[in-house]
Formats: sequence, structure tokens, C-alpha cells
Amino acid sequence: DAKTTQPPSMDCAEGRAANLPCNHSTISGNEYVYWYRQIHSQGPQYIIHGLKNNETNEMASLIITEDRKSSTLILPHATLRDTAVYYCIVIRGDSWGKLQFGAGTQVVVTP
Amino acid sequence: IAGITQAPTSQILAAGRRMTLRCTQDMRHNAMYWYRQDLGLGLRLIHYSNTAGTTGKGEVPDGYSVSRANTDDFPLTLASAVPSQTSVYFCASSDSRLGELFFGEGSRLTVL
Repeated sequence: DAKTTQPPSMDCAEGRAANLPCNHSTISGNEYVYWYRQIHSQGPQYIIHGLKNNETNEMASLIITEDRKSSTLILPHATLRDTAVYYCIVIRGDSWGKLQFGAGTQVVVTP
Repeated sequence: IAGITQAPTSQILAAGRRMTLRCTQDMRHNAMYWYRQDLGLGLRLIHYSNTAGTTGKGEVPDGYSVSRANTDDFPLTLASAVPSQTSVYFCASSDSRLGELFFGEGSRLTVL
């Protein structure tokens, strides 16, 4: 599975959009981009995933570049409850349970 | 709405003792997983089960065993606990049609 690179941390003001980048330059054609987050001491929570098209759900939007070598998770209106570690994971579609979590990005939303 | 239930929430265990971490899901998901999370190492897959009656090894299976007698339960057993198994353990399940994992709240295990 392709490796991912994320910034270790970022801050965001409450009410503003949070844009979380992820590089996955070695991604293969059959690999999906998944995003999970983990709020302190809780189990990870699924956010969104995509293959090549941009995706949006009630939590976030996922923008994948045309060459699929990078992506951005967008939290449109960050709240204090969005403070968490965000993980970008690239994995084959038939192996989505066998996630390989990296260090992720620690996002702190401030008032 | 229960989802994934793990027990115990926290446990201190003497080295050499046997321990079973319990995991039950009520979503009728076919696949279940056990991960451990250690500071600086992220989450790592221990064992998984794609369907009742089958199991497979993940990234760090040594020292652990699992069974999947039915759809809902997926216990993780440490036959003889060692201090390096001190960790937070997360159970998860998925419906293969949806492609997302649902995680439990974790079991914090300390082996002394």
C-alpha cells in the first residue's frame, strides 16, 4: 500500500474552514484515499473516502488531485469538537479493514 | 445504539496471566478487526476476520489469538501476557459493501 505524508500539526480558528493536506505520490490505480480521525482517548472515526472523484458528505469534503498524488480534506466550518488527530490512509479497495495508520495531523481548533 | 462494545475498559494484569478482551457488535457486520495503539507507533492491526468462522493475521499477531464463532463476537486472547503488550486495544467492524470501519472505545491494558 502507498505511503502517505501529512504535516504533524496545524491550528484552525473556530468557524473557519480547515484544509488538511496529504501527499501520496506512490498511489496505485486501485488504491483509495481514506480519512479517519481520532479524538483524544476515543476510537478512530471514519470521515470520508474516495478513489479519484471529489467526495462530500455531512462531515467533510475530499478533494483529490487529477494525478491522484495528493488530496485535501476540508472541514467546512471547524468547531472545537473537531480537535483531533486526522489520518490519511491509502489502501486497496479490497483491504479497507487492514488500515495502516501513520502519525497523522494533530488539528487544534481554537476559539 | 450500541455499535461496538469492548470489555473491559481498563485492566491491570500480571505478566504471565491469560487475558481475553471481549468485543461485540450489533450491526451484523461481516468483518471484524483488532488493533493496538502505542504512543509513537500509531494503530497496528493484530488479527482480523472477514466472516464468521475465518480469521487472519495482521501486522503484529505474535502473542495473540482470536476466534470468530459467530458474527457478533470477536474475542482477543493473550495466552501469557508480557509487558510489551501494554497498550490500548481497539476492536472494529465493517460491512464490506460500505468500506468504512466502526471502532469501539478501546480497552486499556497494562501488563506488569
